[in-house]
Amino acid sequence: EAQVTQNPRYLITVTGKKLTVTCSQNMNHEYMSWYRQDPGLGLRQIYYSMNVEVTDKGDVPEGYKVSRKEKRNFPLILESPSPNQTSLYFCASSPSIRGRSTDTQYFGPGTRLTVL
Amino acid sequence: DQQVKQNSPSLSVQEGRISILNCDYTNSMFDYFLWYKKYPAEGPTFLISISSIKDKNEDGRFTVFLNKSAKHLSLHIVPSQPGDSAVYFCAAIGVIIQGAQKLVFGQGTRLTINP
Repeated sequence: EAQVTQNPRYLITVTGKKLTVTCSQNMNHEYMSWYRQDPGLGLRQIYYSMNVEVTDKGDVPEGYKVSRKEKRNFPLILESPSPNQTSLYFCASSPSIRGRSTDTQYFGPGTRLTVL
Repeated sequence: DQQVKQNSPSLSVQEGRISILNCDYTNSMFDYFLWYKKYPAEGPTFLISISSIKDKNEDGRFTVFLNKSAKHLSLHIVPSQPGDSAVYFCAAIGVIIQGAQKLVFGQGTRLTINP
């Protein structure tokens, strides 16, 4: 089954404790992206990657890191989480960002993060 | 700087009637528009899209209308069904640096279909 998986689905942590949210897709997609969803703000892009070893900042990259060492994985790293990073996070992938295929962007189920 | 705006946070519609969800955008470089649907505890799923060269696209009960001069698009669902109750996100694509495209989302509208 074609899917994007994220782990963990729920996480409560404390300020300053490094954490990683994993994202994996089994569709051999080139493009992957991380979003956060906040009330009244919709989905905002954090980072994206057009292919292996190619990553770039989205609209709200501060406080986050990513890496793309393999095509299927795109982990989101919070080196020193703060309460304003409490949010619902979504990973997404699509076959290509240069072509007109982003209507087939697949989203993971989401990770709800609470930073105390 | 909200480039894609959904000004109605929520909408309540009677089952069987038409649901109309609205979306406005400010960036004239956007050339492709999409609607995503999101149920609780799930990720958004693609619903329907429209290119800027068209003014209407229909898929079953769902129709998206685009008014480029007004920078406005709308999603019509008819007839509305209880399973349509979800949050709907409008999104737009425009070319950014290095030829890459970027998907920009609106704030979302929570649609509730009442029996």
